[in-house]
Amino acid sequence: GQQLNQSPQSMFIQEGEDVSMNCTSSSIFNTWLWYKQDPGEGPVLLIALYKAGELTSNGRLTAQFGITRKDSFLNISASIPSDVGIYFCAGQSRGSTLGRLYFGRGTQLTVWP
Amino acid sequence: GAVVSQHPSRVICKSGTSVKIECRSLDFQATTMFWYRQFPKKSLMLMATSNEGSKATYEQGVEKDKFLINHASLTLSTLTVTSAHPEDSSFYICSARRTTYNEQFFGPGTRLTVL
Repeated sequence: GQQLNQSPQSMFIQEGEDVSMNCTSSSIFNTWLWYKQDPGEGPVLLIALYKAGELTSNGRLTAQFGITRKDSFLNISASIPSDVGIYFCAGQSRGSTLGRLYFGRGTQLTVWP
Repeated sequence: GAVVSQHPSRVICKSGTSVKIECRSLDFQATTMFWYRQFPKKSLMLMATSNEGSKATYEQGVEKDKFLINHASLTLSTLTVTSAHPEDSSFYICSARRTTYNEQFFGPGTRLTVL
């Protein structure tokens, strides 16, 4: 199946720094979703994007749906220790009537106090 | 809103037994639910797509006779791991699709350990 290219694979940053991660796909998507997963728990939806060029914020998080419809990025501003976790991008292709998602491999974020 | 529950959260069973995992959408109806398996430090691997009132669609390489899926109502899907073996030990996560906004919400996951 399709695999999204998510980078970076891991990040080690200091509290207060900004973070940026992105996902690219070889095919066009009509929906991009960003999730955060804490150890031993299910992913939690952070931001959903539905239109090319759309820029959406959720508190300190900002995500954008790329103009080409093949990429998306997530920014976290002024990181705090509770931002630690694995962030996954997920995309839904145009032809998917049931809403099947394709996932990136995840970005492991570590925040040092 | 948009809460998905999973039960049990942890289960330990003996090899050869069957285990049933329930996935419920608590505050919305979900015609489509998904079952994933996740290995340590890995991404989510889709096992099957579950549609209310019809047979599940399994991904390539997933044994449908081993992983039985039933989507009996608009808020409940179950995954039964039949004749479990130690290699079935994993973290199983379900998600439910909220059609209105084309979003998927995940359950908290079930940690299965087969001895």
